Amino acid sequence: EVQLVQSGAEVKKPGESLKISCKGSGYSFTSYWIGWVRQMPGKGLEWMGIIYPGDSDTRYSPSFQGQVTISADKSISTAYLQWSSLKASDTAMYYCARYNWRPYYFDYWGQGTLVTVSS
Amino acid sequence: QSALTQPASVSGSPGQSITISCTGTSSDVGGYNYVSWYQQHPGKAPKLMIYDVSNRPSGVSNRFSGSKSGNTASLTISGLQAEDEADYYCISYTSSSTQVFGGGTKLTVL
Repeated sequence: EVQLVQSGAEVKKPGESLKISCKGSGYSFTSYWIGWVRQMPGKGLEWMGIIYPGDSDTRYSPSFQGQVTISADKSISTAYLQWSSLKASDTAMYYCARYNWRPYYFDYWGQGTLVTVSS
Repeated sequence: QSALTQPASVSGSPGQSITISCTGTSSDVGGYNYVSWYQQHPGKAPKLMIYDVSNRPSGVSNRFSGSKSGNTASLTISGLQAEDEADYYCISYTSSSTQVFGGGTKLTVL
């Protein structure tokens, strides 16, 4: 069974750094892209970027390029989303999902990680 | 890149059909047959309902169908059921090799 298990909720202060994780199981982690999707409170879904754990090829939405870093450690089947300096506007639910390449879609999703940034 | 345009809300009575539109540009919806649709119930992760404009994943009801004309894609739900009440999002591949979501549509089953 394909599963993506995300790390738990985080409460941080503005300016702090953060790295959240997404551990895949039940499939070949290095053979599928993993993506990240943001959902701000009461708002819609936003495609942030994707990574191919096999070779760490990464693509970012122009809206998120330079704002976050997506990485993966294939030895432990885990993808990451990190911030170097959080802002209050980063408060959101973040989902990871397995990304099928051509056709392009997310087929399996994690449970989401709620990040709250508040002073 | 700008979000694709969806109506904020649509509604219908049980048994009726509704259609949700998703308008983009020739650089996304109009340029590729890579439009997908997701259903999201409150507090839950999204669920893939349609991919490649009109293909249904295994397990998705055939009451859900998709189409595209020019820069606008559409999701039609026939025989509306109470369980269909949710938010629906379209998403398209783009010319920059990324994807962009629509703003989302809240479906209310009256």
